[in-house]
Amino acid sequence: GQQVMQIPQYQHVQEGEDFTTYCNSSTTLSNIQWYKQRPGGHPVFLIQLVKSGEVKKQKRLTFQFGEAKKNSSLHITATQTTDVGTYFCAGHTGGFKTIFGAGTRLFVKA
Amino acid sequence: SQTIHQWPATLVQPVGSPLSLECTVEGTSNPNLYWYRQAAGRGLQLLFYSVGIGQISSEVPQNLSASRPQDRQFILSSKKLLLSDSGFYLCAWSVGTGVGTDTQYFGPGTRLTVL
Repeated sequence: GQQVMQIPQYQHVQEGEDFTTYCNSSTTLSNIQWYKQRPGGHPVFLIQLVKSGEVKKQKRLTFQFGEAKKNSSLHITATQTTDVGTYFCAGHTGGFKTIFGAGTRLFVKA
Repeated sequence: SQTIHQWPATLVQPVGSPLSLECTVEGTSNPNLYWYRQAAGRGLQLLFYSVGIGQISSEVPQNLSASRPQDRQFILSSKKLLLSDSGFYLCAWSVGTGVGTDTQYFGPGTRLTVL
């Protein structure tokens, strides 16, 4: 079945270092969404990418959607302790089905 | 503005007991509703979704069921809980005709421990 693989599973960084998580789908996606889940909390929508090769920025966060619409990445520049949490990608192939990646848990040491 | 409620927040149940988790949405009409389960340290597994009253689609065969008795109410149930049912249960809603391609807004979740 369709899968969305996300790596790495965990990432420990020193505050101020950059962080990147990658998402890869076994099939072409119609769009991809990114969510953040703080420890003990629920996932919160960050952004949606629809177009091939699309790049979007939110302050220190940069999101990319691959040309083939099968992969995506989230890059955080100069991490802060407030960035701690698990980042999920969620891929859609059209219709109802949302396939979430397993998430990348980010730890930031002050 | 729209809000989504889930209760209870935490629940500890013995194996074999029944389950009923409730989710309600305020501030929107005819939302698409979803139930997800998240095992500890894992990703989100879609369990059920609904595009309207009485319309339920199941993603994974299991001992859980879902119902939507009202437009903004979504209930997750089980007649007999298993140890493997433990997890963090999240309800989510979205609006739009492209079910699944819309932004999903998650409730606070219910942490279920089956002993």
